[in-house]
Amino acid sequence: VQLVESGGGLVQPGKSLKLSCSASGFTFSSYGMHWIRQAPGKGLDWVAYISSSSGTVYADAVKGRFTISRDNAKNTLYLQLNSLKSEDTAIYYCARRGGMGGDFDYWGQGVMVTVSS
Amino acid sequence: DVVMTQTPVSLSVSLGGQVSISCRSSQSLVHNNGNTYLSWYLQKPGQSPQLLIYKVSNRFSGISDRFSGSGSGTDFTLKISRVEPDDLGVYYCGQGTQYPFTFGSGTKLEIK
Repeated sequence: VQLVESGGGLVQPGKSLKLSCSASGFTFSSYGMHWIRQAPGKGLDWVAYISSSSGTVYADAVKGRFTISRDNAKNTLYLQLNSLKSEDTAIYYCARRGGMGGDFDYWGQGVMVTVSS
Repeated sequence: DVVMTQTPVSLSVSLGGQVSISCRSSQSLVHNNGNTYLSWYLQKPGQSPQLLIYKVSNRFSGISDRFSGSGSGTDFTLKISRVEPDDLGVYYCGQGTQYPFTFGSGTKLEIK
């Protein structure tokens, strides 16, 4: 199992960014996927989930601003980040839903998003 | 939201020693389906987190039996025996019983 994030960078407040997570080594279409973030020097903060059938759930802090999606043909997970705020500055990890549910069994290496003017 | 409280914030242990980390949730983590979705993760320095334990006491693939999880309801414990240098890092508990999924604030393990 391998998860590789990309698309991070420095962006101004109010702007947008789209993160990607390329998956390999498993049947991507069969698994739910999560985004989790970690602000610099802080703990883990769950962001969003998309099921194998593309049902979605969001943390209140990002609801209405972030959109999680997936392209099973490309084995890729996405996170569209709009109306970015300084408090969105973090490393963003994609993670696979564990087989038993309720956990994250494989994580990517993370991608840094910095929101600053 | 379910608040996860981890203690201690940090601890130092000698190689070969044993440590326990406590995690308490503000609500019962027993799901309607009868499962308890409490997991433990280790984030080694400069790395992404890795799953150690799922559903309270089940070791993930490839995880040493030096790691053990226990507990029920709202009180959970991670025990690490025969501590090795590679065990250093920050340990997080996490609940996946109800959205939003939440994590404890972490316990930093240092080797004396």
